[in-house]
Amino acid sequence: AQRVTQPEKLLSVFKGAPVELKCNYSYSGSPELFWYVQYSRQRLQLLLRHISRESIKGFTADLNKGETSFHLKKPFAQEEDSAMYYCALSGRAGNKLTFGGGTRVLVKP
Amino acid sequence: DAGVIQSPRHEVTEMGQEVTLRCKPISGHNSLFWYRQTMMRGLELLIYFNNNVPIDDSGMPEDRFSAKMPNASFSTLKIQPSEPRDSAVYFCASRQRTGTGIGAFFGQGTRLTVV
Repeated sequence: AQRVTQPEKLLSVFKGAPVELKCNYSYSGSPELFWYVQYSRQRLQLLLRHISRESIKGFTADLNKGETSFHLKKPFAQEEDSAMYYCALSGRAGNKLTFGGGTRVLVKP
Repeated sequence: DAGVIQSPRHEVTEMGQEVTLRCKPISGHNSLFWYRQTMMRGLELLIYFNNNVPIDDSGMPEDRFSAKMPNASFSTLKIQPSEPRDSAVYFCASRQRTGTGIGAFFGQGTRLTVV
């Protein structure tokens, strides 16, 4: 079974402050992990994928297999980062994509 | 490619009526997913298809919900009869085969209101 847990439903930070969104997963094999962002009333958009080790809009995420985590970080939050963020996992077989419960980020001026 | 296309964007219907949501995945994608999003329950996977075949429908709430994928370029999610608690945003998503490191692409969603 594959499971994704995002323990924080809401994160409120001030502009310029660091922000970290936690994501823990459960999967017996080697997963593919993703972060998605959803701005108000819009579609989910792919933000990051662990396989590419890239930085998008200042966000980075590191896969920690020992802790089964894939936390999302940004050193200096901007107001336009206010959105809903979802962590997602896909197993190597079957193509099923499972999402966590989501974390709402509110960046205050 | 225009991306994943869903129709209608908004649907308001009366309780007891049949509702059909439509999805056109990205050409060449092997998998298609239907998700439901609500404030209370977040994003729930209802069903997904691989190569037009339903693989996992364990998320379908009850027999009132059914989904089909008659070919690689079209899928429907039907609710019959609809109830007020079905009010939600329904997203369709598609992706290539697993192992590519590429995630799923989402449609704009259908906002369903059952009154």
